[in-house]
Amino acid sequence: NAGVTQTPKFQVLKTGQSMTLQCAQDMNHNSMYWYRQDPGMGLRLIYYSASEGTTDKGEVPNGYNVSRLNKREFSLRLESAAPSQTSVYFCASSNARGASYEQYFGPGTRLTVT
Amino acid sequence: AQKITQTQPGMFVQEKEAVTLDCTYDTSDPSYGLFWYKQPSSGEMIFLIYQGSYDQQNATEGRYSLNFQKARKSANLVISASQLGDSAMYFCAMKGSARQLTFGSGTQLTVLP
Repeated sequence: NAGVTQTPKFQVLKTGQSMTLQCAQDMNHNSMYWYRQDPGMGLRLIYYSASEGTTDKGEVPNGYNVSRLNKREFSLRLESAAPSQTSVYFCASSNARGASYEQYFGPGTRLTVT
Repeated sequence: AQKITQTQPGMFVQEKEAVTLDCTYDTSDPSYGLFWYKQPSSGEMIFLIYQGSYDQQNATEGRYSLNFQKARKSANLVISASQLGDSAMYFCAMKGSARQLTFGSGTQLTVLP
């Protein structure tokens, strides 16, 4: 039982390049989330998927797209990377929609855009 | 809109002493959940404790307890008998009707030997 896994762990991009961050969970959770964490700040929600087949914007969606490939996998795509997207990206999953259910986080992807 | 405020950027505590990390929140949702996460220097997010808005008693998990004062909209984390391994960043977070977690800016706790 690996929990939430993310690939890659580290990535360096040049401005304008594209890439996809991959996330998978093996806990049979319905909901999945993508956050970014900038230095000295808490996590901010980029996109989330309440259930397979649905996605919604979070607090900071500009410059990103997501795909809920199936119940296990939720990917985040940067079409044209910008230095402002340098951050640590966390994927998370949760068992249910209720307020009482904690989110389980992956180990994070550290992205640098030069 | 939900908002979480953590006013202590950094805290120091002596090993074996208790420490309180402050968290205040703002929401218009009648039902919500409050969470605390620990982020060590290795970077992972570790769930510590949860408090529901309708829970009558304060949540406890081992050395962690949540001092929930609904009227004051505060949800402070109390760590008893601090250990060196407790040194980390601590985040308060809230989930309401939108089902999204909103995080505070965090408190860096340093436990001194």
